[in-house]
Amino acid sequence: KNQVEQSPQSLIILEGKNCTLQCNYTVSPFSNLRWYKQDTGRGPVSLTIMTFSENTKSNGRYTATLDADTKQSSLHITASQLSDSASYICVVRFHSGYALNFGKGTSLLVTP
Amino acid sequence: EAQVTQNPRYLITVTGKKLTVTCSQNMNHEYMSWYRQDPGLGLRQIYYSMNVEVTDKGDVPEGYKVSRKEKRNFPLILESPSPNQTSLYFCASSFGGHQPQHFGDGTRLSIL
Repeated sequence: KNQVEQSPQSLIILEGKNCTLQCNYTVSPFSNLRWYKQDTGRGPVSLTIMTFSENTKSNGRYTATLDADTKQSSLHITASQLSDSASYICVVRFHSGYALNFGKGTSLLVTP
Repeated sequence: EAQVTQNPRYLITVTGKKLTVTCSQNMNHEYMSWYRQDPGLGLRQIYYSMNVEVTDKGDVPEGYKVSRKEKRNFPLILESPSPNQTSLYFCASSFGGHQPQHFGDGTRLSIL
């Protein structure tokens, strides 16, 4: 059973609008939670990484939040641009070991 | 330029013909990992390596081998490829397991 669930599976928004992507996980205890952006045909690129003690991390127009009590994270994209069209992947690492747990991703399409 | 380089980028081959996908990084990273990405399943970890001569299985190691004789290289070996190994493969590296990973641009394998 996948321990990292992302929602929605896909999302279409208009350019300039904000959106929020969700990640729920059951991995416990965990070491860190990461958000990656993957453009079509390319490898994922890191957006943010948060430890269990952090509850927010920003990278330009991307802001990730983490609630370790409810085991939820969100990625908020502000003033979306066409180049934000991509798949966004949530990844959780166990506290011990080096294995990573990947969500299946949210596919975002930003339209003019 | 810091990068993870995979070769080949594309390969079509036949069942049973041994193949190797090379991965090289120029960032002196200790941690390297291989993933496969399939539609609807997201990224799944095949093998990872914490350092030279130290490797461990990920979620889907069956049918694959790896070696880590040098820090910069982490080849993925398919001894007897089968059609169910047709997929998009990514190599990634990082400083330790707690840091964001840098991904290569992927290798698309088709096993006929």
